[in-house]
Amino acid sequence: QLQMQESGPGLVKPSETLSLTCTVSGGSLTTEDYWWVWIRQPPGKGLEWIVSIFYDGATHYTPSLESRATTSVDTFNDQFSLRLHSVTAADTAVYYCARQIGRGRWSFDTWGRGTLVTVSS
Amino acid sequence: QSALTQPASVSGSPGQSITISCTGSRSDIGNHNLVSWYQQFPGKAPKLMISEISRRPSGVSSRFSASKSGDTASLTISALQAEDEADYYCASYAGSNTFIFGGGTKLTVL
Repeated sequence: QLQMQESGPGLVKPSETLSLTCTVSGGSLTTEDYWWVWIRQPPGKGLEWIVSIFYDGATHYTPSLESRATTSVDTFNDQFSLRLHSVTAADTAVYYCARQIGRGRWSFDTWGRGTLVTVSS
Repeated sequence: QSALTQPASVSGSPGQSITISCTGSRSDIGNHNLVSWYQQFPGKAPKLMISEISRRPSGVSSRFSASKSGDTASLTISALQAEDEADYYCASYAGSNTFIFGGGTKLTVL
């Protein structure tokens, strides 16, 4: 069964770069059937889709974060990453990695446990 | 892109049915049959409950059903149980390869 696990620093200083990695096990990133995504949830608030990435590196970003977010995929290690530049307190959130069903179906069917990232000096 | 609109809270007694609405626009729900619903318990990751408006993944109780009319999608939980108490989120394809969530609805089982 596919499992996903986020990793990265839990504390980032304002104006610096948030960096997270998602490791996939029990399956492979190299598939035509799925995309790989980052979603975040500020404390006590709703979910926000950030970016989807395909195994070949194709990406789709949410417009509001496109200028600050970068994602990449490492198919050899079955990992994908998120970098969010110039962070502020508003970027404090639980960050989830998830699998998104492709081929035009688009729901998020497998999620990591999430990792809390706090932006504070 | 604005979040889809959900009621902040709904409540019901065990055995009753409740419906959670999710209102968008012609840019998202109204023009695409790609609405999904997620259940989230406190401190846990969301879980996919419904995909493509009304498709239930394997393992999801048949008490959960969903539909769409115009710009509004709806999730119905029948025969409400205490274990259904959670937050529920809708999501939709919003065109141009983007996706949008609702603000979430807290379900309280009285």
